[in-house]
Amino acid sequence: GAGVSQSPSNKVTEKGKDVELRCDPISGHTALYWYRQRLGQGLEFLIYFQGNSAPDKSGLPSDRFSAERTGESVSTLTIQRTQQEDSAVYLCASSPEMGQGKNTQYFGPGTRLTVL
Amino acid sequence: KQEVTQIPAALSVPEGENLVLNCSFTDSAIYNLQWFRQDPGKGLTSLLLIQSSQREQTSGRLNASLDKSSGRSTLYIAASQPGDSATYLCAVNNFNKFYFGSGTKLNVKP
Repeated sequence: GAGVSQSPSNKVTEKGKDVELRCDPISGHTALYWYRQRLGQGLEFLIYFQGNSAPDKSGLPSDRFSAERTGESVSTLTIQRTQQEDSAVYLCASSPEMGQGKNTQYFGPGTRLTVL
Repeated sequence: KQEVTQIPAALSVPEGENLVLNCSFTDSAIYNLQWFRQDPGKGLTSLLLIQSSQREQTSGRLNASLDKSSGRSTLYIAASQPGDSATYLCAVNNFNKFYFGSGTKLNVKP
């Protein structure tokens, strides 16, 4: 079946512009996560959504970052007034259910964002 | 805050060798620990998931162990192949938030 998809695969933007990244999770997956991965580093948690519950935004690095998800479908991550330090690969993952020990994550290929 | 460390950062071995990758974490109150593989330009692929109550999991040539009390996990790869070349990441689940190490970049030479 179809996996997690993300678009665009690459995005080059100028400092100060807004960007919007999209994630299509696996159908039926209730949980969705966004991560940031800077070059040579591990994944940094940004936000997760679980069904209709309020999202956990504790990983968002500043108020320039926001994310939305409609129900259990598509999510968008928006970065306003981009800065050069925002350059990274943004990864999305979905999971069939939350709860202890049941949350294998399935990752998309990522969006590589470059801020000039 | 949970901190996850992976050692070594990079490893180069000849084909056929057995090898061990290490992962340590500071907070032992975890739900589970997961090992992933990441290929250049691609997302992460889950290799093994160990529940907090388990000691190890095996899949083919891969074996992952977990010692929760000491905050350690190892990923053992038997009879390594060039196709195993990738970055290996471990992630721990604390109350449904995931913390990743920075990975071990493995190169298996033919």
